Amino acid sequence: GAGVSQSPRYKVAKRGQDVALRCDPISGHVSLFWYQQALGQGPEFLTYFQNEAQLDKSGLPSDRFFAERPEGSVSTLKIQRTQQEDSAVYLCASSHQTGTSVYEQYFGPGTRLTVT
Amino acid sequence: DAKTTQPPSMDCAEGRAANLPCNHSTISGNEYVYWYRQIHSQGPQYIIHGLKNNETNEMASLIITEDRKSSTLILPHATLRDTAVYYCIVSSQKLVFGQGTRLTINP
Repeated sequence: GAGVSQSPRYKVAKRGQDVALRCDPISGHVSLFWYQQALGQGPEFLTYFQNEAQLDKSGLPSDRFFAERPEGSVSTLKIQRTQQEDSAVYLCASSHQTGTSVYEQYFGPGTRLTVT
Repeated sequence: DAKTTQPPSMDCAEGRAANLPCNHSTISGNEYVYWYRQIHSQGPQYIIHGLKNNETNEMASLIITEDRKSSTLILPHATLRDTAVYYCIVSSQKLVFGQGTRLTINP
């Protein structure tokens, strides 16, 4: 079956531009996560949605980062006024599990963002 | 969440068992041990998880010591496709990935 898909796969932005990264989770999955992975590092948690509710956004690095999931399926991560330190792979994951018991997350291939 | 310590890299011969260690001496009672792996240019993939009992599934086995301060992920018959970074995560809530172990399977 279809897995988690993300688009675009690669994005180059000039410093100061706004970008929007899309995640299509597995159909029916209630939970959705965003992670940021810098080169050579493990993924770092950004935010968590249960259906359309954003229950945890403690990992968002600044108020330039904003995520939404208005209908409880597709999610968009938006980064305003991009900076060079925003260059990373942005991973989306979904799960049929909810709350603190979400151990099995299905990850997409990620979007590689390069800010020049 | 408890901190985990993994060797930065390991090698294993194809067809042999790969044993990946993880230390988590500060683990608390409600924290699970999770293992994920990440093949180059892909998103992480869930492998297995456990609380205190040993676990086995179609991918791997997880052996947790009785005091729960360390664990070992076992890939029983490693193949070239098992070359990846393996992450040991200890958490009661969100997943916190560390640096992982880069496992290379050699032909």
